[in-house]
Amino acid sequence: GAVVSQHPSWVICKSGTSVKIECRSLDFQATTMFWYRQFPKQSLMLMATSNEGSKATYEQGVEKDKFLINHASLTLSTLTVTSAHPEDSSFYICSAPRTPVGNEQFFGPGTRLTVL
Amino acid sequence: KQEVTQIPAALSVPEGENLVLNCSFTDSAIYNLQWFRQDPGKGLTSLLLIQSSQREQTSGRLNASLDKSSGRSTLYIAASQPGDSATYLCAVIMNDYKLSFGAGTTVTVRA
Repeated sequence: GAVVSQHPSWVICKSGTSVKIECRSLDFQATTMFWYRQFPKQSLMLMATSNEGSKATYEQGVEKDKFLINHASLTLSTLTVTSAHPEDSSFYICSAPRTPVGNEQFFGPGTRLTVL
Repeated sequence: KQEVTQIPAALSVPEGENLVLNCSFTDSAIYNLQWFRQDPGKGLTSLLLIQSSQREQTSGRLNASLDKSSGRSTLYIAASQPGDSATYLCAVIMNDYKLSFGAGTTVTVRA
């Protein structure tokens, strides 16, 4: 299957700092990537859709100025959590569909963010 | 808005027993449906993808059925093993590739 990587796998930061998370499709091009957030013992919630060469689209209730998304190339999307606070602590996961082969979604291994 | 429900929330069985995990969704205009496995603190592993035109998909001990009109999918795991212990997530894929996830079924297979 296709491979999606994320970096870093975990990060601890102080409140008020910004954290950047990278999502890469290693063996296919992804014009679209998705960012999800998962709180403990809850399912994944879609945060935003990252589009190569254009602005990201955010789901209702997600602050676009807080969660900055940049899809700089066909294999890389970044999520920056700006001025992070403890309530932003969560598991962030990205995914990418491999098209036109099929729209099966391939997920990264996730990034555990802890804000102190 | 698509709502995805998984029942039961948790399941504990002895090794060797067959597992039946249920998923229901409210909007039947789905593109595909995908089953995932998630181990604690880890990302998602894709198990099976069922195209909306298909009725079922099989991979090894796993079989997933899809009844799009009634908004249901079932994942069957035959002859369960302790290594099958994990959380299983059902996700429906709409035409825009967005996934809506269920809350998952946490499975424990006792040796």
